[in-house]
Amino acid sequence: SQKIEQNSEALNIQEGKTATLTCNYTNYSPAYLQWYRQDPGRGPVFLLLIRENEKEKRKERLKVTFDTTLKQSLFHITASQPADSATSLCALRGGGGYQKVTFGTGTKLQVIP
Amino acid sequence: EAGVAQSPRYKIIEKRQSVAFWCNPISGHATLYWYQQILGQGPKLLIQFQNNGVVDDSQLPKDRFSAERLKGVDSTLKIQPAKLEDSAVYLCASSSKEGGETQYFGPGTRLLVL
Repeated sequence: SQKIEQNSEALNIQEGKTATLTCNYTNYSPAYLQWYRQDPGRGPVFLLLIRENEKEKRKERLKVTFDTTLKQSLFHITASQPADSATSLCALRGGGGYQKVTFGTGTKLQVIP
Repeated sequence: EAGVAQSPRYKIIEKRQSVAFWCNPISGHATLYWYQQILGQGPKLLIQFQNNGVVDDSQLPKDRFSAERLKGVDSTLKIQPAKLEDSAVYLCASSSKEGGETQYFGPGTRLLVL
């Protein structure tokens, strides 16, 4: 069956360091993968989208990589700030016809001042 | 541009009661989604509308959940009767393209079933 795995343990990181979050998937041939952030009591907010034929995407301090051989995406936040503290969710959409977007369970990031 | 609006923000009911949630998507967005998010988990799609037609309701417990999107704009999600395991946050999202490349989420309705 299709599965999306994110580290359920919280990631604590010192301010200024690079945070790296992982999203692994099985039994998917994704058309694209997205990363969202979610703050407590709020809905997810879209950050980045990377397609199956792209290796890397950047946006300001954010970088996403996508390795379809390893079936893995890495989400990097460089020069992390306390305001980056949130839950990071990855979401995949399968390829071929209609495929819904499926979310992972998320990883909580805590940036310590 | 106004975001996705949801109401109520919080609801407490007893099991076997009924409850309804309302969503107003971003103007012009044809696709509307309802998700259920249980504490500590990611959002799980319940139903997806394209305009006022259902695209996917494969994970909607149809014996107790129903949803409609009249006139292809606002939507309501109803639970009748509620069970304890329905306690969750119900998120509404909308997107301007079928398949939802970028989904814009509302703040959610937090439901507690006692």
